Amino acid sequence: GEDVEQSLFLSVREGDSSVINCTYTDSSSTYLYWYKQEPGAGLQLLTYIFSNMDMKQDQRLTVLLNKKDKHLSLRIADTQTGDSAIYFCAERSNSGYALNFGKGTSLLVTP
Amino acid sequence: NAGVTQTPKFRILKIGQSMTLQCTQDMNHNYMYWYRQDPGMGLKLIYYSVGAGITDKGEVPNGYNVSRSTTEDFPLRLELAAPSQTSVYFCASSYPVNGEAFFGQGTRLTVV
Repeated sequence: GEDVEQSLFLSVREGDSSVINCTYTDSSSTYLYWYKQEPGAGLQLLTYIFSNMDMKQDQRLTVLLNKKDKHLSLRIADTQTGDSAIYFCAERSNSGYALNFGKGTSLLVTP
Repeated sequence: NAGVTQTPKFRILKIGQSMTLQCTQDMNHNYMYWYRQDPGMGLKLIYYSVGAGITDKGEVPNGYNVSRSTTEDFPLRLELAAPSQTSVYFCASSYPVNGEAFFGQGTRLTVV
């Protein structure tokens, strides 16, 4: 399938902002998603953005989409230790039914 | 609201044994999926279904089978377990329009 790439690890201090980046190759992607996975748990949908939008804000989360560069980012404001988890970027193409996931970014928040 | 329920949560199989991973959802979603998650590798799609009676292969279907006799249930069958099938398996279901997928808690399978 098409590729979704993420950096594997990010460490931030509590109270700082976190920015997790993702790039994708499928130009027909219609929806792009951010999922959070805590240890031993399933994936929890954080937010998603439709491809005709360039920004979406939801409380501490801001998603930015640059469709021209096929770049998606997730900004977490005022990062807390409870935000430590693996964050997955995923895309759904216009021709597909399932989501195509990146390998995940492990976010570590230190006091 | 139960969402997506998977059973069992953990299982150890011997090489060559078979088992069925159960998945049920109560959201009346047409679309259902099975993914496997290997360490540092993200999620790979095994099989998916767009409705009762309709299934299709994903990226890594070899060694697995599925059926979808009802909207609610989407079991995954391993016929001859191999060590390469040691993984965490996630079932998910979604709305067809925006693809917002809801995941079960996962089944951790070890084949020895």
